[in-house]
Amino acid sequence: GAGVSQSPSNKVTEKGKDVELRCDPISGHTALYWYRQSLGQGLEFLIYFQGNSAPDKSGLPSDRFSAERTGGSVSTLTIQRTQQEDSAVYLCASSINRGGLAGQETQYFGPGTRLLVL
Amino acid sequence: KNQVEQSPQSLIILEGKNCTLQCNYTVSPFSNLRWYKQDTGRGPVSLTIMTFSENTKSNGRYTATLDADTKQSSLHITASQLSDSASYICVVSPNTGGFKTIFGAGTRLFVKA
Repeated sequence: GAGVSQSPSNKVTEKGKDVELRCDPISGHTALYWYRQSLGQGLEFLIYFQGNSAPDKSGLPSDRFSAERTGGSVSTLTIQRTQQEDSAVYLCASSINRGGLAGQETQYFGPGTRLLVL
Repeated sequence: KNQVEQSPQSLIILEGKNCTLQCNYTVSPFSNLRWYKQDTGRGPVSLTIMTFSENTKSNGRYTATLDADTKQSSLHITASQLSDSASYICVVSPNTGGFKTIFGAGTRLFVKA
């Protein structure tokens, strides 16, 4: 009964480098979400995957951010040419979509990846 | 302007005391409102979920209330414990197509012995 897992738990990188963050959702969950949480701020939606549908990328802050989900399970969030303002906690969540509107179901969150860009 | 605003930003209480956290929202129409608890270094965990037609929902020592007319919700914690120290996040899902779940910034609760 594993929950959502993310790796790495912490990542320190230099400005300009690329980083990849991984999310393993709960088995059987068809929906997967990425969020960014900056210090003292609410969660900021980044991207949403649902089954085989085209992802909702409306929250990605710039074209340096991209994400993919392979085989409807594991997802990778990639940040290219990282900037200091990218420093934040990146949270992944998954849920079972029962055919209702996206985001209506209870989302189960992973522990997050803490990214620090120096 | 944030569509989901929470108050206070932070709160310190003594163990055993009760407290109430507030959430005001402007999201309309909305489908449901949730309260999440986020421990330091962890992802948020769902505490309660209420649809627009529900007024109250309990989960152990946590009781959430909802007034859809005034667009206010509160989370009441009874007989607080040290383990209640966490951030409490109010989340509103609008009743519209597309993905637009909106998270409040949270209230940071500290429970002292």
